[in-house]
Parts: sequence; C-alpha cells; structure tokens
Amino acid sequence: QKEVEQNSGPLSVPEGAIASLNCTYSDRGSQSFFWYRQYSGKSPELIMFIYSNGDKEDGRFTAQLNKASQYVSLLIRDSQPSDSATYLCAVFKAAGNKLTFGGGTRVLVKP
Amino acid sequence: ETGVTQSPTHLIKTRGQQVTLRCSSQSGHNTVSWYQQALGQGPQFIFQYYREEENGRGNFPPRFSGLQFPNYSSELNVNALELDDSALYLCASSQAGSGRVGNEQYFGPGTRLTVT
Repeated sequence: QKEVEQNSGPLSVPEGAIASLNCTYSDRGSQSFFWYRQYSGKSPELIMFIYSNGDKEDGRFTAQLNKASQYVSLLIRDSQPSDSATYLCAVFKAAGNKLTFGGGTRVLVKP
Repeated sequence: ETGVTQSPTHLIKTRGQQVTLRCSSQSGHNTVSWYQQALGQGPQFIFQYYREEENGRGNFPPRFSGLQFPNYSSELNVNALELDDSALYLCASSQAGSGRVGNEQYFGPGTRLTVT
C-alpha cells in the first residue's frame, strides 16, 4: 500500500464546473495536509493546506479533511482552462520531518 | 520577498561522476528540504536540513548527501551517479519552529539532471 494515494486521472472537467480530487493516506500519525499544483515542466506550487478535520476555503478552492477516514479532498469551483495541471496531495508527519507526496492527479479543464 | 532559487537549471553528467546542486531559501525561512521527482511521479523526499544539520531523511542511499550554510542556503551532492538518478531535483524552504504544526514548504524551480 502506498503511503499517499491519488487517482492519476486524467480528470476531465468542463469549464465552469466543479473539479473534485481525492487523496487517501495510510499513516494515522500524519499531522498536516497539503495540495500543490504543478504545471508541466514547472515546480509544485502550494495552493492549500489543512490541519484540522472539516473544510477550509480559499477563493475557488476548498480542502476537506477527514482524519478518521484518512481522506483529504480538494474541490475547485468554477474550473478554468488555466486550472489544467497535475494536483499533488502531500502529507506531513513531524517524526522524521517527512513530507510524503502522492503521484498526482492530472486535471484537464475543457472550454 | 525573495523566493526559492536553484542552480543550475539543467545539467548533464556521465554515469559515475559527482554533482552538486545549489539552493537558496526564501527570505525568512530557516529549513531546506530536497526532493527527487522522476517523470510522471510525485516528488520523493531525500532529506531536510535545519540549523545546518540533517533533520530527517528519506529512503535514499548515503551517496546522496547535503549541507546547509549559516545563511540557510543548501547544497545537494550526489556521488557515483547512476542512470536512474536522472530526474528533476527540487529544493523547498520552510520556517520551522514558532509552534507551527505544519510545514508549509515552498519549492524552487528545480534542477533537471540528466545522467548518460
């Protein structure tokens, strides 16, 4: 079992729709959770982080965390073609100061 | 605010050679982490440096080593290069301490290493 799992996609979404991305993790000791966006040929860019159970909203993005189910999700509202990228879920555990990434979900927003 | 910078941008080396990659952390950050990202995969944690000492290490052999300097900049050294070392090497900086639970890391542009 991989430590952090994501569906590789591609997730195809019409412009203006909601894109829903999911991530599961195996280590219950994980403490904080991050979503990065990575355009092709570029480095990851931090878009959201969440530490507590529940929802956290930032502009068109909403992160959701359920520690009991070991599940993190990212919603992108009003999806734009510029949102087309690979979205990486990352999980941090203080022991070892290790940030573990999933393989990423590729999102395609079609005009 | 100055972001994370890395040098060089691209590098081509021959199997068996040694390479040094460099990273300058974002202003106000005291911690540097290094990652290896193979094509089509997520970044893999190599190690982290805090206060000039290794502060955590992933599943990489000892031929991957690093340094952090008093100004918080860092180097990644890889000895005895292998073909599988070809990847994008990413440096990320963060601010440890101050009661922070999280570890918000901000990435530099990366160094593309090709080993032939």
